[in-house]
Amino acid sequence: DAGVIQSPRHEVTEMGQEVTLRCKPISGHDYLFWYRQTMMRGLELLIYFNNNVPIDDSGMPEDRFSAKMPNASFSTLKIQPSEPRDSAVYFCASSLKAGGQRSYGYTFGSGTRLTVV
Amino acid sequence: AQKVTQAQTEISVVEKEDVTLDCVYETRDTTYYLFWYKQPPSGELVFLIRRNSFDEQNEISGRYSWNFQKSTSSFNFTITASQVVDSAVYFCALSEAGTGRRALTFGSGTRLQVQP
Repeated sequence: DAGVIQSPRHEVTEMGQEVTLRCKPISGHDYLFWYRQTMMRGLELLIYFNNNVPIDDSGMPEDRFSAKMPNASFSTLKIQPSEPRDSAVYFCASSLKAGGQRSYGYTFGSGTRLTVV
Repeated sequence: AQKVTQAQTEISVVEKEDVTLDCVYETRDTTYYLFWYKQPPSGELVFLIRRNSFDEQNEISGRYSWNFQKSTSSFNFTITASQVVDSAVYFCALSEAGTGRRALTFGSGTRLQVQP
C-alpha cells in the first residue's frame, strides 16, 4: 500500500497565480479530507468528501479556494488567485468507513508546502 | 461543538526524563474517538494511537503510554525515558462518531524538545 500520495511536495508561486494541489487516497477509502497547517491557526479542516461528494466545506477560507473529487482515486485543491497568506502546508488524508477497529483511522499524506511570494 | 485543548505549547526535557503531554477534549457526542499524532521535524503526521469512548483502559506501547479518563475529559500521553528522537510536535485529535461528522478536530499541538 503506497499510502496517501500528494503532489507536488513543494510549490512556490507568485501572488495571483493559480495553484493546484493533488491527492491520491488509499484505494478503498471512502473519505477524503483536506487540512491546512499554519503557525497561527494550527491544523484546520478545509473540506471533506464521502464517496466523492463534498460533505463539509465550511472550512474553505473563501471563494478563491475550491476542491473537487472527480473519482474515488483523485482529488484536487485549487487556489485562484493565490495570495501570500495562503502559504502553508496542505495535508490530504483518507479514511475507511467500514465498521469495527478498521474504521476511524486516518492516514495522512506527506503534505504540500505552498509558498506564495 | 467539539474542541481539543493542549495547554502545553512547548516542553523541554533532558534525555531519560519522563514527560506527560496533556490533552483535554470537549464533545457532546457519546461515541467518539481520540487520537494522538506525532509530527517530527520532517513534517509528516505519524499516527500513534486511537481510542474509542467506550474503552477507558489505559494503553502501553513500549515507552509510550496513554491515560484516558472520561470523568475529566482527558487523554494524556506519557513518554517514559525520553530520547532525542522523541523530539517532535504532538497533536491530540477528536472525531465524533455519533454525529456522523468524520473529520478530525486537532488540538494546537505540544512541541517536545528532548535535550541530550
